[in-house]
Amino acid sequence: EVQLQESGPGLVKPSQSLSLTCSVTGYSITSNYWGWIRKFPGNKMEWMGYISYSGSTSYNPSLKSRISITRDTSKNQFFLQLNSVTTEDTATYYCARSGGYPRVMDAWGQGASVTVSS
Amino acid sequence: EIVLTQSPTTMAASPGEKVTLNCLASSSVSYMNWYQQKSGASPKLWIYGTSNLASGVPNRFSGSGSGTSYSLTISSMEAEDVATYYCLQLSSYPWTFGGGTKLELK
Repeated sequence: EVQLQESGPGLVKPSQSLSLTCSVTGYSITSNYWGWIRKFPGNKMEWMGYISYSGSTSYNPSLKSRISITRDTSKNQFFLQLNSVTTEDTATYYCARSGGYPRVMDAWGQGASVTVSS
Repeated sequence: EIVLTQSPTTMAASPGEKVTLNCLASSSVSYMNWYQQKSGASPKLWIYGTSNLASGVPNRFSGSGSGTSYSLTISSMEAEDVATYYCLQLSSYPWTFGGGTKLELK
């Protein structure tokens, strides 16, 4: 059974970078698509982007200049970096697996709460 | 970007009541996925490919729709169905979520 686990700082200062790790067990990240989703206070959810089985990436245009998703296949981990954060980036961040046809986002991590504050 | 509008935003249903949650897309999508999220937990895949129940989902749930209009129906509300339900489209980039429907017990 695939399991995903987010980790990283829970507090980030404005203008700094937010960095999170998603550790995957039970499934290789060299298959399917591995992405990040965030849920803001007030419950709005936003797809941020993914890294594919081949290492290619796709990002939400709303974040394109600030986001980077990378991976370490030897550790079966993938990473989120979001630059120049503001208080509006305060959210719960989830990593998730997508794939199949019709495409589905079928496995999620437990979520990591990140607050942007000085 | 395809905007998904869910209605109602919040609703309360009595045990045994039939419930229908709606998701309207600003442009046509090929299919819709639905997620259930309970307080403090991560979203769970509930319905995929418009009408397919995810593993473990009770058969009182069903999904339907096409084009720009999709719905999730509960034939008979139970207490364990209290949650927020989100629709998600993966047909067009960027992938987008609806704003959610919070379902409460009356």
